[in-house]
Amino acid sequence: DGGITQSPKYLFRKEGQNVTLSCEQNLNHDAMYWYRQDPGQGLRLIYYSQIVNDFQKGDIAEGYSVSREKKESFPLTVTSAQKNPTAFYLCATRPLNTYEQYFGPGTRLTVT
Amino acid sequence: AQSVTQLDSQVPVFEEAPVELRCNYSSSVSVYLFWYVQYPNQGLQLLLKYLSGSTLVKGINGFEAEFNKSQTSFHLRKPSVHISDTAEYFCAVSDTTGNQFYFGTGTSLTVIP
Repeated sequence: DGGITQSPKYLFRKEGQNVTLSCEQNLNHDAMYWYRQDPGQGLRLIYYSQIVNDFQKGDIAEGYSVSREKKESFPLTVTSAQKNPTAFYLCATRPLNTYEQYFGPGTRLTVT
Repeated sequence: AQSVTQLDSQVPVFEEAPVELRCNYSSSVSVYLFWYVQYPNQGLQLLLKYLSGSTLVKGINGFEAEFNKSQTSFHLRKPSVHISDTAEYFCAVSDTTGNQFYFGTGTSLTVIP
C-alpha cells in the first residue's frame, strides 16, 4: 500500500514539552516538506529537504527542528520554543523531476 | 516572494449550479499553478495543474481551470456541482525549482441541496 503516512492523527501535549511528528513515505520521492495549517491562513512552509542529510528552513522554521536520516522519513520536532504550536501539520513529498506535491493525511497537534 | 490571492473565502452554491473559485497570483516570471482540494481533517489532494501548453486544463471530478497570463489568474470552474464537492479549495503557485510553493488562504465551497 503506497503513500504517505503521518502518525498519530491526533496528538495532545502539555505546554513546555517537545513533541515529534512522524512522516513516512514509500513513494521513493526525493523531496519532503512540512507545512503548518491554521484556520484562514492557508499553508505555511516550515522545513523542506531535497536529499538525505540535508534540509532547508522555510518561512516559519523558528521553534521547529527536523532530520532526514533516511529517504523515507522526515520527522518534525515541535520544541517548547514554538510559541503557538497548536495547529494542523501536513507532510508532503515531491519527485525531483516534477513540480506537484503530494500530501499526507496530517496530524492535529493540540498543546494546552 | 510570490503571493497568491483567493478572492472569496466562502462560496455557497446550490447543487447542480455552476461555480467559479477565483485565484490571482503576483509574478512576472514563469510559475507553475495548481489547485488542491481538502476535505475536513484530511490532507490535500491535487485537482489539476498548469505547467505549460494549453491554457485550459482539466482535472479530476469534473473541474477545470484557465490560466490567464495577462491577468495573472488561474480560476477554477465546474459546470455543475454536487454535494460531495463541499470542501476547502486551495490555489498554489510554484517557482521553477519546485521547492517554493505558495498557497492561497483557501476558499470554502459549500454546496446547498
